Amino acid sequence: ETGVTQTPRHLVMGMTNKKSLKCEQHLGHNAMYWYKQSAKKPLELMFVYSLEERVENNSVPSRFSPECPNSSHLFLHLHTLQPEDSALYLCASSQLSGQGYNEQFFGPGTRLTVL
Amino acid sequence: AQSVAQPEDQVNVAEGNPLTVKCTYSVSGNPYLFWYVQYPNRGLQFLLKYITGDNLVKGSYGFEAEFNKSQTSFHLKKPSALVSDSALYFCAVSQLRRNSSYKLIFGSGTRLLVRP
Repeated sequence: ETGVTQTPRHLVMGMTNKKSLKCEQHLGHNAMYWYKQSAKKPLELMFVYSLEERVENNSVPSRFSPECPNSSHLFLHLHTLQPEDSALYLCASSQLSGQGYNEQFFGPGTRLTVL
Repeated sequence: AQSVAQPEDQVNVAEGNPLTVKCTYSVSGNPYLFWYVQYPNRGLQFLLKYITGDNLVKGSYGFEAEFNKSQTSFHLKKPSALVSDSALYFCAVSQLRRNSSYKLIFGSGTRLLVRP
C-alpha cells in the first residue's frame, strides 16, 4: 500500500450519468494529481492541486471537474462523458519542495468504462 | 521542453539473465529522473530516482539505474531478472512549475516480459 486510496476501483457509467471519483492520501502531502491512462497513450496529467489550489489544467474537457476540499482529499466529478473517456484514472500525491525531486505516490486507480 | 523517450515497447529476457530497460531524456538544467513500475490492475510504484551525486542509483526490488550525462540516458538495470519482474516500466523527468509544484513527464512505457 502506498498510502493513497481510490474509490471506486471500477465504474461503469452511461453517457448521461453523473458520478464522482474519490482519492484520499494518508501521507501528509500537500500536492495531489489526477492522471488518465489509456491503452494506447502515455500517462496524461489532467490536474494538479498545490496547497489545495488548482495550479494546472491540461486542456481537459469541462465534463471533468476536479475538487480538492482539503490537502488529503481529491475528487473528480464526471458528467456527460464519452466512450473515449474510458480509461484508468490515477490519483497521486507528493510533498512539494522548491526543487521538484520528490517522488509521487500513486493510488491503485479507478477503471472507468463509459457505455 | 522536457521530454523522455523509451525506445522499446517491450523487452523480453529469460529468468536469471540481466535486464536493461532504456530511457533517454531531454531537459534544460539539472535533471531529476525517476523510474516507476506498474503491475497489472495497479497504480504506479516508485522504484528509484536520480537527483545528484553518484551516477549509479539503487532502488527497490534489486533494481538500479545508471545516469549518463553525456548520453542523456537513465537506463534501468537488474543483474538477474525474476518472472515476477514482468510489468510495465515508466521513466519520468521532473519539470518544475509555478507555485513550487512540479509535474512528471512520463515516457510511453516499456513492457518487460521475463520468461521462466
